[in-house]
Amino acid sequence: AQSVSQHNHHVILSEAASLELGCNYSYGGTVNLFWYVQYPGQHLQLLLKYFSGDPLVKGIKGFEAEFIKSKFSFNLRKPSVQWSDTAEYFCAVNAGNNRKLIWGLGTSLAVNP
Amino acid sequence: GAVVSQHPSWVICKSGTSVKIECRSLDFQATTMFWYRQFPKQSLMLMATSNEGSKATYEQGVEKDKFLINHASLTLSTLTVTSAHPEDSSFYICSARDSRASSYNEQFFGPGTRLTVL
Repeated sequence: AQSVSQHNHHVILSEAASLELGCNYSYGGTVNLFWYVQYPGQHLQLLLKYFSGDPLVKGIKGFEAEFIKSKFSFNLRKPSVQWSDTAEYFCAVNAGNNRKLIWGLGTSLAVNP
Repeated sequence: GAVVSQHPSWVICKSGTSVKIECRSLDFQATTMFWYRQFPKQSLMLMATSNEGSKATYEQGVEKDKFLINHASLTLSTLTVTSAHPEDSSFYICSARDSRASSYNEQFFGPGTRLTVL
């Protein structure tokens, strides 16, 4: 069965630290990959997505992610986090003909000022 | 563009009553909408896929007679929680796919509905 795993459940960083959140999926065919963010008390927002082309994808608010097909990974990165990045981050995959999004369990990021 | 609304944003009801939640795509047509449930500090759990003009497809373990889904138009899907009980209290989120967009597999999310059953 298709699955998505996010390695870090809780991450605590200081402002200006670099961030990398891991995401791995299990599916051997064509995938669409997404990172969503949920700020406290707010609804889900799309950070970035990968459908095809350049595997290094740039999203909003300085986030980027790299699709490494050989590693089945789509890790999220930001070189310097801010307190306002405190949120829940979800990786999701849409695989093959399956129209459903398969979700990771999420990573809770807390950035200390 | 690609805005999804939900109504109501929060609702409190008595045990045994039914609650209807609406999900609307405001500026695009959506042949497919999805209903999720999210528990505090947890990920989204897909409940069902709502298809315009046909029956919804429910995920394993989701009671279709309890969670009634209707997708009568290209911009509206409704989720009715029938005979609600306290264990149905949760955050319900819908999403929609733009039927004509090139990024067909992208889902746009509504703000969610907080249901509390007393």
